[in-house]
Amino acid sequence: EVQLVESGGDLVQPGGSLRLSCAASGFTFSNYWMTWVRQAPGKGLEWVANIKQDETEKYYVDSVKGRFTISRDNAKNSLYLQMNSLRAEDTAVYYCARGRYTSGWWGQGTLVTVSS
Amino acid sequence: QSALTQPASVSGSPGQSITISCTGTSSDLGAYSYVSWYQQHPGKAPKLMIYDVSNRPSGVSNRFSGSKSGNTASLTISGLQAEDEADYYCTSYTTSRTLVFGTGTKVTVL
Repeated sequence: EVQLVESGGDLVQPGGSLRLSCAASGFTFSNYWMTWVRQAPGKGLEWVANIKQDETEKYYVDSVKGRFTISRDNAKNSLYLQMNSLRAEDTAVYYCARGRYTSGWWGQGTLVTVSS
Repeated sequence: QSALTQPASVSGSPGQSITISCTGTSSDLGAYSYVSWYQQHPGKAPKLMIYDVSNRPSGVSNRFSGSKSGNTASLTISGLQAEDEADYYCTSYTTSRTLVFGTGTKVTVL
């Protein structure tokens, strides 16, 4: 069974950093693009970033470019999101999802709160 | 990277059909057939309902159907049921090689 489990969410001060992880199982992780999507409290879904199987292509939403970095470790079946210079508007539940254009599998999400 | 435009809410009685629209531009919906629809119940992760404009994943009811014309995509739910009450989001691939979500539609079953 496909499983995606996010971790790393926490309360962090504005300007701080956080690294999210997503542990994948139940499928050949190295065969798939992977994606991060976030949802601010009471708001809609927002695509954040995605990464190709071999890390040669990475794409970001404009609002996080230069601050967030997506990466993966295929040997560990893990996806990461390094978040720097965090702002209040980055507060959200962050989901990892399998796929590039569409995502049939999602994790349960991890909450990131940016507040002083 | 502006969000695709969806109606904030759509409602219908059990058994009726409803349609949710999703309007974009020639840089997203008008450029590709990578259009997906997701259902999200409160506190839950999104669930894929339609991909590539009109394809249903295994296990999704055939009461859900999708289509696209130009810069607008649509999701139709026929035979509306109480369990269909949820938020629905469209997505599209874009010419910037990114994805963009719709603003979301709350479906209410009266």
